[in-house]
Amino acid sequence: SYELTQPSSVSVSPGQTARITCSGDVLAKKSARWFQQKPGQAPVLVIYKDTERPSGIPERFSGSSSGTTVTLTISGAQIEDEADYYCFSAPDISLRVFGGGTKLTVL
Amino acid sequence: QVQLVQSGSESKKPGASVKISCQASGYTFSRHAMNWVRQAPGQGLEWMGWINTDTGNPTYARAFTGRCVFSLDTSVSTAYLQISSLKAEDTAVYYCARLDCSGGTCYDFWGQGTLVTVSS
Repeated sequence: SYELTQPSSVSVSPGQTARITCSGDVLAKKSARWFQQKPGQAPVLVIYKDTERPSGIPERFSGSSSGTTVTLTISGAQIEDEADYYCFSAPDISLRVFGGGTKLTVL
Repeated sequence: QVQLVQSGSESKKPGASVKISCQASGYTFSRHAMNWVRQAPGQGLEWMGWINTDTGNPTYARAFTGRCVFSLDTSVSTAYLQISSLKAEDTAVYYCARLDCSGGTCYDFWGQGTLVTVSS
């Protein structure tokens, strides 16, 4: 089965750098996307193809990849970045998978 | 602009069925696959599968094979998710979503979510 593993929670103070990892064998061959979800809202894409940022997403959001792990970095995290973050990948042409999600606390 | 508008909340008893709709606008419906995503209360996102909006061919994630059916009505640019033999553990918000990549760029468009509550 295709699994993506994320830490359940990450906590930083405002202005610090938050790093959220996502690990899985599929990531050695396939790229990842990251979604941000705030309470009561639909998810929003913040990173795709491991490192690309959609238009409208602040520059403090960045992504990187190494081997079977991808990392979402929020440089200078702000209070409004507090949310759940999910990695996502496409193991093959027909299948997709989400990571378990990471709750980011900024306080 | 692209919009995905889902049907309203549903309250069902165990064993019943539910059919959720997702009406698309702002683009050519048949050119972009539609995904379905489940989120149980307090839990993470689960990809349920997708439907090819050109051919109508569905693909289901392993955990959602059997009681879930994806369908289309292309005349009204609408995708449907039907779940039969509902159980309490089917209580969740269900999202339809376009999760495309084209020309080197990826996009996402989501419906607002439909809450399905299963309770006796």
